[in-house]
Amino acid sequence: ENALTQSPATLSLSPGERATLSCRASQSVYSSLAWYQQKPGQAPRLLIYDASKRATGVPARFSGSGSGTDFSLTISSLEADDFAVYYCQHRDNWLGTFGPGTTVEIK
Amino acid sequence: QVHLVQSGAEVKKPGASVRVSCRASGYTFSAYYLHWVRQVPGQGLEWIGVINPRDGSISRPQRFQDRVTLTSDTSTSTAYMEVSGLTSEDTAVYYCVRDKDTVTTFYFEFWGQGTLVTVS
Repeated sequence: ENALTQSPATLSLSPGERATLSCRASQSVYSSLAWYQQKPGQAPRLLIYDASKRATGVPARFSGSGSGTDFSLTISSLEADDFAVYYCQHRDNWLGTFGPGTTVEIK
Repeated sequence: QVHLVQSGAEVKKPGASVRVSCRASGYTFSAYYLHWVRQVPGQGLEWIGVINPRDGSISRPQRFQDRVTLTSDTSTSTAYMEVSGLTSEDTAVYYCVRDKDTVTTFYFEFWGQGTLVTVS
């Protein structure tokens, strides 16, 4: 199984600051990686797919980068609405795998 | 627009089975793979499996192959997930999710509202 790890587990930042979240795969996933945002009581929302493509309606302050085993999600300037849990996810031989998540909390 | 409407919350006894439905609208049901994802309260996301509504083919992780059944009915644009042999560890919110593209990408773009299954 191609596991995903995310770091840090929790990121404490203030509005306006830059957030950088990391996701690492145990084997290469090429560019087949997605990022999701989940707020309490809500279903997750697709933010980024193919490592760097923004999903429909996602603000430009969200960007994704990386390939192979190391990926990042960057939020250029945090807004109040961005404090949430973020998951990375990939497809591996017709199996879906999520990372454990990073919580972005207000400092 | 795309809508996925799931059946309501369930409370089941250990050892029982539960079936969750997911009614799709706003797109051609048979054209997109449908996934199921669950989330234990306070924990992360876990992929349960996927079905191709066009031909009924499915894929599931090994740990769910004996207990999870995925089906679909193109006449009603509805997908079903059944979990048997429930234990307390199956207490979770279960989501149906539509794939992003018609050539399946395993990117989960449209989510149902979730169905809480409580095993107690």
